[in-house]
Amino acid sequence: GAVVSQHPSRVICKSGTSVKIECRSLDFQATTMFWYRQFPKQSLMLMATSNEGSKATYEQGVEKDKFLINHASLTLSTLTVTSAHPEDSSFYICSADPGSKEYEQYFGPGTRLTVT
Amino acid sequence: QKEVEQDPGPLSVPEGAIVSLNCTYSNSAFQYFMWYRQYSRKGPELLMYTYSSGNKEDGRFTAQVDKSSKYISLFIRDSQPSDSATYLCAIPQPPNFNKFYFGSGTKLNVKP
Repeated sequence: GAVVSQHPSRVICKSGTSVKIECRSLDFQATTMFWYRQFPKQSLMLMATSNEGSKATYEQGVEKDKFLINHASLTLSTLTVTSAHPEDSSFYICSADPGSKEYEQYFGPGTRLTVT
Repeated sequence: QKEVEQDPGPLSVPEGAIVSLNCTYSNSAFQYFMWYRQYSRKGPELLMYTYSSGNKEDGRFTAQVDKSSKYISLFIRDSQPSDSATYLCAIPQPPNFNKFYFGSGTKLNVKP
C-alpha cells in the first residue's frame, strides 16, 4: 500500500528557533500534499495545500510567513515553522494525493512539535 | 454551523459489543464519506468510504449514509480491544475532493 513518512517524528525546540518537518511519499508520486495541524483532543485542521513546483495555498487564518511550505519534488514537501512559539506546539500531519482517485489521500504518521 | 459534526465521546464499551459512531453534515452536495481510524500519536488510516447513500460492509465494519437526513454512521460488530482508537469521519470537499472536512473524532475504548 501507499506509504507516507514524516521526519522527525518528534522535535523539541526553543522559542524563537525554526523547525523543518519533512513529508515524503515513499512509493508513489504526489502532485499535491496537504499539511494539517491537530491540537490535543481536537480534529485535524487543514493548514495549507502544497503543489509541486508552485506556491502553497494557505487556509484562512494560517500565516504563510510563519509556516513556510516547499514542495520541491513529486515525493517531498517540507513545512518550516519559523520563529516558533509555545502556542505552535502541536501535532503536524501531512497527507499526499497520488492523483489517481478523487478522494484518495494517504496520511503520514505525524510530527509532534514541542516549543519550550 | 460546522460542515461536519461528530459525537465527541469518549465511548467505552465491553469487548464484543456493537459500537455505533455518528456524524452529521451540512452540505447536500457532499458525495464521498470517509471513516479514518487514528491510534494515539499516529496519523489517520482509512477504514472505509462510501459514495452517495446506502451501506457498505467490510468484515466487522459497516458504513452507512443517509443523505436525506445528512447523517453518516460507522458500526463495529464484535468490538475488540484493538479497535480502541479515535475514529474520525471525513468528507472530501467538492469539486476537487482532495481537501477534507474532518469531524472532531470520537475516542473509543473497548475494555477486555
